[in-house]
Amino acid sequence: GNSVTQMEGPVTLSEEAFLTINCTYTATGYPSLFWYVQYPGEGLQLLLKATKADDKGSNKGFEATYRKETTSFHLEKGSVQVSDSAVYFCALRKTGANNLFFGTGTRLTVIP
Amino acid sequence: EAGVAQSPRYKIIEKRQSVAFWCNPISGHATLYWYQQILGQGPKLLIQFQNNGVVDDSQLPKDRFSAERLKGVDSTLKIQPAKLEDSAVYLCASSSPGNWGTEAFFGQGTRLTVV
Repeated sequence: GNSVTQMEGPVTLSEEAFLTINCTYTATGYPSLFWYVQYPGEGLQLLLKATKADDKGSNKGFEATYRKETTSFHLEKGSVQVSDSAVYFCALRKTGANNLFFGTGTRLTVIP
Repeated sequence: EAGVAQSPRYKIIEKRQSVAFWCNPISGHATLYWYQQILGQGPKLLIQFQNNGVVDDSQLPKDRFSAERLKGVDSTLKIQPAKLEDSAVYLCASSSPGNWGTEAFFGQGTRLTVV
């Protein structure tokens, strides 16, 4: 079946620290991979995506590379800011479908 | 561009009561989804519509949940009767159909508490 396993949180970092949130997936075929972010009081927003192996998605200083050999899509940012405090969800969309399978989410808190 | 609109934002009901949620997707988006997000978990798809037809409702508890999208635009999700375990945030999302990797846009959700 299709599933996403995400690093458990919560994660607390100081401002300007390096961030990694691990995400691995199980899927048949070649799924598309996504990171969504949910800021306090807001809906889910797409942060970045990758649709094939070795693609790198990037946005707002965040990056994630689609690694088929390790079935991973880890989220990274070199220097986090207080405004990055949110819940981050890794998700996959299986080949030929539109619906998303989400991980459990990782809450990130960045302190000044 | 207006986003996905959902109402109400919050709802508290007693178990065995009924409740309905409303969603208006982004204009022109043919695909509409309802997700259930239980506290501490990721969203789980309940039902997916393409225009006014159901594409996937395999995870919808059909004995108590129902959804419709009669004119292929806005949609209503109903729970009758509600159980304590239905307490969750109900998210509506929409997307344009067909394109590989098309982004789904989410509403702010309706937080349901069943007491």
